[in-house]
Amino acid sequence: SQQGEEDPQALSIQEGENATMNCSYKTSINNLQWYRQNSGRGLVHLILIRSNEREKHSGRLRVTLDTSKKSSSLLITASRAADTASYFCATPRVGSARQLTFGSGTQLTVLP
Amino acid sequence: KAGVTQTPRYLIKTRGQQVTLSCSPISGHRSVSWYQQTPGQGLQFLFEYFSETQRNKGNFPGRFSGRQFSNSRSEMNVSTLELGDSALYLCASSPGQGVTYNSPLHFGNGTRLTVT
Repeated sequence: SQQGEEDPQALSIQEGENATMNCSYKTSINNLQWYRQNSGRGLVHLILIRSNEREKHSGRLRVTLDTSKKSSSLLITASRAADTASYFCATPRVGSARQLTFGSGTQLTVLP
Repeated sequence: KAGVTQTPRYLIKTRGQQVTLSCSPISGHRSVSWYQQTPGQGLQFLFEYFSETQRNKGNFPGRFSGRQFSNSRSEMNVSTLELGDSALYLCASSPGQGVTYNSPLHFGNGTRLTVT
């Protein structure tokens, strides 16, 4: 079953704009991870934020985590056409670090 | 380092048949997990293997099984295929137990199974 929902389900922006995706989850977490999936391919890990962190940066990516609201957001700045993909948040099940529960995903389209 | 390798890339089977999918993890990774991805159910955990032992299992029927070999390579098998088994099957590896929770998974490009 899905841990939670991602919002929006689909997002279309122009190259150079920022893209923000939101993720909600239901249970206590140890960390929250974001993955990208290009069409029909495997998932690529983007960034991991621990439950005691509030914000994390990696290149053009910025992730925030609000454990009181059980939500996270992923911001991609200065988007490029190559950022077009589906983005998923995922949380490990307590007691099983490699059993991830994924959100429903956001399909991002960056128009050139 | 080579990434996670899954074979075959595409597979077409008929209802009632069985299928075996293969996964070679990143060198040195001892944990292999399997996920099913469908448009309706999204990404769902199937099972995880570490040191040739199944450590965790998702909520799937017994028709779905797997195993891991001493070289950490893993196979998953689906018997008596149903139309609903059509999906992208993803394998992921990680260093394994002894590593903290804060170690991401490395995914292969998946096997696209179509059941007709």
